Amino acid sequence: DTGVSQDPRHKITKRGQNVTFRCDPISEHNRLYWYRQTLGQGPEFLTYFQNEAQLEKSRLLSDRFSAERPKGSFSTLEIQRTEQGDSAMYLCASSPRGGGTGGNEQFFGPGTRLTVL
Amino acid sequence: QKEVEQDPGPLSVPEGAIVSLNCTYSNSAFQYFMWYRQYSRKGPELLMYTYSSGNKEDGRFTAQVDKSSKYISLFIRDSQPSDSATYLCAMSDDTGFQKLVFGTGTRLLVSP
Repeated sequence: DTGVSQDPRHKITKRGQNVTFRCDPISEHNRLYWYRQTLGQGPEFLTYFQNEAQLEKSRLLSDRFSAERPKGSFSTLEIQRTEQGDSAMYLCASSPRGGGTGGNEQFFGPGTRLTVL
Repeated sequence: QKEVEQDPGPLSVPEGAIVSLNCTYSNSAFQYFMWYRQYSRKGPELLMYTYSSGNKEDGRFTAQVDKSSKYISLFIRDSQPSDSATYLCAMSDDTGFQKLVFGTGTRLLVSP
């Protein structure tokens, strides 16, 4: 399968615990995005990587959130001291390039569903 | 007011009907327009991708963009029960990293 993969698919944790999610983008896609989706809403942008550089972060991404993309391949999203409001689906997407008339398509993974008790 | 408005539905139609899904937006800088299909508890699946104005057809799906009215549509012909899902419109501008701005999604139910 050459699509975007995410792990784990589901995570249940207690409030105050730390969690880490992994995303493996489509091979050779240099752009990687993280989004968060709550019930009944569309995905909302969290952060963006071009290769290994994190170039943009949303105001939704509080200090408890950190993301990395070492060597420009897979990415991790960590949430420290989780809160019940962090419960959501965390989606990863990748794109081959941007600009012009093509190449901005973003392909999404299956998501990681986080439940904070 | 949200940048992208989309009726959440649900929209219920009989099998074989033509379905029309729509979004309006306020940001005139948007240049890329996409439609995603999302089944329950799954990730969004890219259906249609359009740059600027015009129409695009792919099988039973047709996407239309009217930038003058800031209005985009997705038409599904000969709808099938397997089309039952949430349809998300998404769009981005042509600058920087081109984050997607999504509508809330329209839930579609196609009954046999």
